[in-house]
Amino acid sequence: QKEVEQDPGPLSVPEGAIVSLNCTYSNSAFQYFMWYRQYSRKGPELLMYTYSSGNKEDGRFTAQVDKSSKYISLFIRDSQPSDSATYLCAMSAGNQFYFGTGTSLTVIP
Amino acid sequence: GAVVSQHPSRVICKSGTSVKIECRSLDFQATTMFWYRQFPKQSLMLMATSNEGSKATYEQGVEKDKFLINHASLTLSTLTVTSAHPEDSSFYICSASSWDNNYGYTFGSGTRLTVV
Repeated sequence: QKEVEQDPGPLSVPEGAIVSLNCTYSNSAFQYFMWYRQYSRKGPELLMYTYSSGNKEDGRFTAQVDKSSKYISLFIRDSQPSDSATYLCAMSAGNQFYFGTGTSLTVIP
Repeated sequence: GAVVSQHPSRVICKSGTSVKIECRSLDFQATTMFWYRQFPKQSLMLMATSNEGSKATYEQGVEKDKFLINHASLTLSTLTVTSAHPEDSSFYICSASSWDNNYGYTFGSGTRLTVV
């Protein structure tokens, strides 16, 4: 079983839609949960960073962590064409990081 | 915020030659640097972890004599792909970690290596 599971998509939505991206994990020791956005041929950039369970909101982005279900989500409201990218979830325990495979998102104008 | 600069962004080399990729932390001291490889439509594959002043720790299956990593200072790590072959063509990404920067993990912009 992989440490982190993420549906690779691709996911295609119309502009303005709410997007839900999800990851599941198996290691209950994970405490830090991150979402990265990666544009084609670029390095990943950090979008959201949460510690333990709960919600965190930043503009149009909301990250949710449910440690009891070992499930994390990223919601994008009012999606824009500029949100088209690959979104990677990541989580860590200490200095060990584990990444999902990434979900490819296309927002259609 | 924390910035990691990676250079070059793109390189084409002949089979059998060596290529060096640099990764610099611009505004923080990176106690740990990581090197990843990414194939198209796949996630990041950790190749090695390096701590400043010590030998890198390579992941299983990664040839340490082929992928030479040097982390001689707190702001610079290099990855040298020696005797490159076409199967080494990939996207290489570095990241740097310092728990002083509150992000824990900042990525460079990546290097597209093509071996012909």
